[in-house]
Amino acid sequence: AQKVTQAQTEISVVEKEDVTLDCVYETRDTTYYLFWYKQPPSGELVFLIRRNSFDEQNEISGRYSWNFQKSTSSFNFTITASQVVDSAVYFCALSGVSNYQLIWGAGTKLIIKP
Amino acid sequence: GAGVSQSPSNKVTEKGKDVELRCDPISGHTALYWYRQSLGQGLEFLIYFQGNSAPDKSGLPSDRFSAERTGGSVSTLTIQRTQQEDSAVYLCASSALGLAGAPGELFFGEGSRLTVL
Repeated sequence: AQKVTQAQTEISVVEKEDVTLDCVYETRDTTYYLFWYKQPPSGELVFLIRRNSFDEQNEISGRYSWNFQKSTSSFNFTITASQVVDSAVYFCALSGVSNYQLIWGAGTKLIIKP
Repeated sequence: GAGVSQSPSNKVTEKGKDVELRCDPISGHTALYWYRQSLGQGLEFLIYFQGNSAPDKSGLPSDRFSAERTGGSVSTLTIQRTQQEDSAVYLCASSALGLAGAPGELFFGEGSRLTVL
């Protein structure tokens, strides 16, 4: 069975601190896709990244970076020099190649204090 | 429109009434999803459409819930005889096929907040 675990329910940091959101997944598929989505207070989820299982290169996009490690079945998300606008709920999700139904983690609420 | 459009944005209804929630996906997106999100909770999958067909209805909570999609575009989620536990935000998302059939990113609407009194 597929499963996504986001063990951190809520994280609170002070602005400019670095913060890492953890995501651990379970799947028996050899080909799969991992996603991160952001849900700001306005409510509309926004896509951040998609990674396939054959690409373990870490990715950096501005202050955002993602660390994909198949050995530990983890796909962690780090925000460097956090800003108040980063406050949101962040969801990690998993999909197989033939299954369009994403398996969602429970989400991590990130609070950035000024 | 440019994004996924959902209506109504807010709906207050009395227990036992029927409600219809509408989703207008991004033009050309073949896949359409309905999710439910209760206050402070994660996303609960309801149903997925590929074109007009729904290969996966596994998430519908009960037979009071139904959904249809016409013309490969607009979808309607209907809840009959609403109950208080149906109160939630109902999110719609659409996606295009990704490369080599891989799942594309989902584009979400702002949701329809349903309150059942």
